[in-house]
Amino acid sequence: DAGVIQSPRHEVTEMGQEVTLRCKPISGHDYLFWYRQTMMRGLELLIYFNNNVPIDDSGMPEDRFSAKMPNASFSTLKIQPSEPRDSAVYFCASSLGDYKSIQYFGAGTRLSVL
Amino acid sequence: AQTVTQSQPEMSVQEAETVTLSCTYDTSESDYYLFWYKQPPSRQMILVIRQEAYKQQNATENRFSVNFQKAAKSFSLKISDSQLGDAAMYFCAYRSERAGGTSYGKLTFGQGTILTVHP
Repeated sequence: DAGVIQSPRHEVTEMGQEVTLRCKPISGHDYLFWYRQTMMRGLELLIYFNNNVPIDDSGMPEDRFSAKMPNASFSTLKIQPSEPRDSAVYFCASSLGDYKSIQYFGAGTRLSVL
Repeated sequence: AQTVTQSQPEMSVQEAETVTLSCTYDTSESDYYLFWYKQPPSRQMILVIRQEAYKQQNATENRFSVNFQKAAKSFSLKISDSQLGDAAMYFCAYRSERAGGTSYGKLTFGQGTILTVHP
């Protein structure tokens, strides 16, 4: 299996622009997680899905952030409008949701908002 | 809410020596998993080892082992025969296994420990 695939690997954009990050989970996994990593806050969970349904979005910082999972093999995290403080590495992870499940991470997207 | 604390921002070790990374956590739950993840400069988060809270036996994976002290809420990682490839940021993480709770399945991470391996 190719693992969790995230795109793009790097994204540079200007303040106010819309940014869309993409994730393809491991085939067959029914949980998908979006994390954000910053120097100040470390790794924090933004939102997670189970069977394409958002379960907990309490970590989403503002209404500017939205996430969707239209099918079992694709998810997006959108920021509109983007701000410099959104600059971070965004990780997607997936797991097969039995109680022993391990989360497998993608390589992350480094977002820089100028 | 659960919290995970790694009190060592940085650690260093000589190649072939042993190093221990510390982690403590706070929870009122009895069912949970603990993990150590490695993040090398490539950024990829790689699972190193995991421990089920209900198991008293410490988990081991080749050169990596843990010292799990449930009463003390401590979960340290020991790396034996350190190799240059072990150099990375190491994260301790907690996951609730209380089904039905909103924190079920979520990973809570510590701040990380940067490990340097000297040749």
